[in-house]
Amino acid sequence: DAGVTQSPTHLIKTRGQQVTLRCSPKSGHDTVSWYQQALGQGPQFIFQYYEEEERQRGNFPDRFSGHQFPNYSSELNVNALLLGDSALYLCASSSTFGGRQRKTYEQYFGPGTRLTVT
Amino acid sequence: GNSVTQMEGPVTLSEEAFLTINCTYTATGYPSLFWYVQYPGEGLQLLLKATKADDKGSNKGFEATYRKETTSFHLEKGSVQVSDSAVYFCALSGIQGAQKLVFGQGTRLTINP
Repeated sequence: DAGVTQSPTHLIKTRGQQVTLRCSPKSGHDTVSWYQQALGQGPQFIFQYYEEEERQRGNFPDRFSGHQFPNYSSELNVNALLLGDSALYLCASSSTFGGRQRKTYEQYFGPGTRLTVT
Repeated sequence: GNSVTQMEGPVTLSEEAFLTINCTYTATGYPSLFWYVQYPGEGLQLLLKATKADDKGSNKGFEATYRKETTSFHLEKGSVQVSDSAVYFCALSGIQGAQKLVFGQGTRLTINP
């Protein structure tokens, strides 16, 4: 059973460019969340997708956008890259429907994409 | 707002020492609490979780108890190993039905042989 996968592993972009990161969720999961982890910091929530719609969003500018496809995979797009966008971008997947019991909101993370903006 | 505060690192211990990493949270409602571990160059792995007050999460010798009265979720291990060297993150989610995780700043743990 494949876990969460992300591509590419590493990416180097120039300030002002645009980038697309990709994520495939764990089998059986239907919800994808994206996080930004700056060096030496804890991950910060960017947004979450369920049923191909953005369901929640953190404090990130509109330059950050996303998409979820019918197979539950997801993309994160960042426009007009800034030096401060350099970070590890983590994708996490979870299952929205957890049966009758209270959900634990357990998220499984991929290995991340290391983005460097020069 | 909702937040998580962890004890500042880095923490350096000798093998077989007792480990405690403190974590406190601020939240309205009843969050779920988690500890995640990040090994060098890797993503985050769920270490343990607790969903309600007085629950004890445990895994690989690590334990943490959900203390609502002190809003804490301290991570403990009785005897650490060199392989436990990593960064540990305390996190919460489930506030008002939201699934997003709110993380602490992380604590870097180094175990010396």
